Amino acid sequence: GESVGLHLPTLSVQEGDNSIINCAYSNSASDYFIWYKQESGKGPQFIIDIRSNMDKRQGQRVTVLLNKTVKHLSLQIAATQPGDSAVYFCAENMSTGSQGNLIFGKGTKLSVKP
Amino acid sequence: NAGVTQTPKFRILKIGQSMTLQCAQDMNHNYMYWYRQDPGMGLKLIYYSVGAGITDKGEVPNGYNVSRSTTEDFPLRLELAAPSQTSVYFCASSYPQGARETQYFGPGTRLLVL
Repeated sequence: GESVGLHLPTLSVQEGDNSIINCAYSNSASDYFIWYKQESGKGPQFIIDIRSNMDKRQGQRVTVLLNKTVKHLSLQIAATQPGDSAVYFCAENMSTGSQGNLIFGKGTKLSVKP
Repeated sequence: NAGVTQTPKFRILKIGQSMTLQCAQDMNHNYMYWYRQDPGMGLKLIYYSVGAGITDKGEVPNGYNVSRSTTEDFPLRLELAAPSQTSVYFCASSYPQGARETQYFGPGTRLLVL
């Protein structure tokens, strides 16, 4: 099975609310994590990343939280907007894995209701 | 910079036909990647390259070949197309530090094998 997965395949939120997208990973050796956003018909777009020596990182309206104890990653989007509607993927890089090998989860589809 | 470009955007192939998916990047990235994305799924790595003249297999290399004669270009070759290769193909590139840094994705090539 995949080492990176998501708890919920779909998430529907009201415009203006906060969104939380979750991700579980199984490899303790993973030391670098990325969230990507993929809009319909487009390639994935980098949102934010975090290294394993951190437990929180903030960007513009987005925050990534890393809990290494339970091997859990989350993406928080503040004041969700219609433009945030997309599929969100988490990805991990295992330091002991092959170079250039990001492992992607299946994705969570975020729908924002106006 | 144009970033990562891919051609064609869409192609229909008959079983047994061959084709080359083109990928180019103008960011002087050493690392380049090919992924496939099946409907409702995450990305799976087909092949990657850490520099001109060097390529390595990813998670799902069977049925594909790649070459990397220049830093800019990383074509993906399908020799005998099969229905199982119906998918959306994404090319990506990353900073010289490799997959530990952000991968930039192209817009994708949608392939249908009938």
